[in-house]
Amino acid sequence: AQTVTQSQPEMSVQEAETVTLSCTYDTSENNYYLFWYKQPPSRQMILVIRQEAYKQQNATENRFSVNFQKAAKSFSLKISDSQLGDTAMYFCAFTDTQGGSEKLVFGKGTKLTVNP
Amino acid sequence: DTEVTQTPKHLVMGMTNKKSLKCEQHMGHRAMYWYKQKAKKPPELMFVYSYEKLSINESVPSRFSPECPNSSLLNLHLHALQPEDSALYLCASSQDRFYEQYFGPGTRLTVT
Repeated sequence: AQTVTQSQPEMSVQEAETVTLSCTYDTSENNYYLFWYKQPPSRQMILVIRQEAYKQQNATENRFSVNFQKAAKSFSLKISDSQLGDTAMYFCAFTDTQGGSEKLVFGKGTKLTVNP
Repeated sequence: DTEVTQTPKHLVMGMTNKKSLKCEQHMGHRAMYWYKQKAKKPPELMFVYSYEKLSINESVPSRFSPECPNSSLLNLHLHALQPEDSALYLCASSQDRFYEQYFGPGTRLTVT
C-alpha cells in the first residue's frame, strides 16, 4: 500500500528563519508526483510545490524548496525567510501514474507556527 | 486563474433535510473531486469524476449522492445525514487524472 508519513505533528519557527518539514513515502512505482499543500487557519488548501519523480532537479517556488531523495523516498520542504502568513497545516501528498488511480495519498500533516 | 468556488460556505441541516453542495471551476479541468475533512486531519477522498463520469466512489454511504451536470460543475446531494457527517467538505479539480489538484474553500457542514 502507498503511504505518506509526516513525522513532525507540530513545529514552530521564528519569523525570518528557515524551517524544514519532513515527509517520507512508500511506493513500488517508478513514476509518480509529490506535492506539498498548505492549509492556513482560514482553511483553503493551497498547492505550494510539485515534484515529478523522474526529474532529478529539486523544485523551487520562491521561498519554498524541496529536497527530493528518490532512493530514500524522502521529500522534505524547506521554507526560507519564514513569514507570519506561513502559519498553517502542511500536508505532503503523493499520486502515482500507474495502476489507474487518481488518488492523492496525504500524510497526516504538520502544523507549523511562525512566531513574531 | 486557479479558482475553484464552492457554495454555500456554511450549512446547518437537520437529519431529515435534503440539501446540496455546489462546486464550480472554469479552468477547463477534466477531473473533479469531493473530499471530507475533519478537524486537524487530512482530507478523505469521497468521489472522483473524470470527463464527467464517476470513476471512483470510496464506499461512501448512499446518503451522499454526487452529480456532475457538465465539465465545470460538481454537486453533492445530501439526504438523511447523521451528526457524524458534520465536517468540512472540499471540492477540487485537476487538469486531468494524476495532475495537481486545486481546492475550493470548502463548505462547513453541521448536521443537527
